[in-house]
Amino acid sequence: ILNVEQSPQSLHVQEGDSTNFTCSFPSSNFYALHWYRWETAKSPEALFVMTLNGDEKKKGRISATLNTKEGYSYLYIKGSQPEDSATYLCAFGSNDYKLSFGAGTTVTVRA
Amino acid sequence: SQTIHQWPATLVQPVGSPLSLECTVEGTSNPNLYWYRQAAGRGLQLLFYSVGIGQISSEVPQNLSASRPQDRQFILSSKKLLLSDSGFYLCACTGQGDEQYFGPGTRLTVT
Repeated sequence: ILNVEQSPQSLHVQEGDSTNFTCSFPSSNFYALHWYRWETAKSPEALFVMTLNGDEKKKGRISATLNTKEGYSYLYIKGSQPEDSATYLCAFGSNDYKLSFGAGTTVTVRA
Repeated sequence: SQTIHQWPATLVQPVGSPLSLECTVEGTSNPNLYWYRQAAGRGLQLLFYSVGIGQISSEVPQNLSASRPQDRQFILSSKKLLLSDSGFYLCACTGQGDEQYFGPGTRLTVT
């Protein structure tokens, strides 16, 4: 079982503000780093799959960076909106298609 | 694109009773299939995964078992439930890339 840690566990952000949070993972034998968004009463939804050191991916107002050498990834939300409220999960992917998930960061956007 | 069906959506079972949760997948063939559990206050834990019919790998020793009788059917079972089996169970399959697609989940409460 791989140690994937996310911080903070939860955060509150005012509508319109930007925020970011962290996922740390083992830096050895890196294969892929996944980000998922899990909204209440819905299924987790894939946001990004990142494989290369220095990778940056963007989807709308959400973006992510990856540092495989030091074992961390940041997820950024720019100009937070109430619909961004969700739990954001990162997962360390191995080359046998298994994922080890962190406990998630729960984001609450206040109007 | 893939669609994953899970049932039932919620289940309340007494300790010692059997369990059968079913997952079926549409829109893909020969997918990798996964069962995850989220216990209260914790992240997603991989329980079982399958790369083909009849091929099951167990990730953690536990009171549960899994079977894959057909290409797009994945079943999670227990002969005698424990209180610690309570949680939210998610079925997932791989997509064209490495990302995983999740079903709607089953909330199991063992009383």
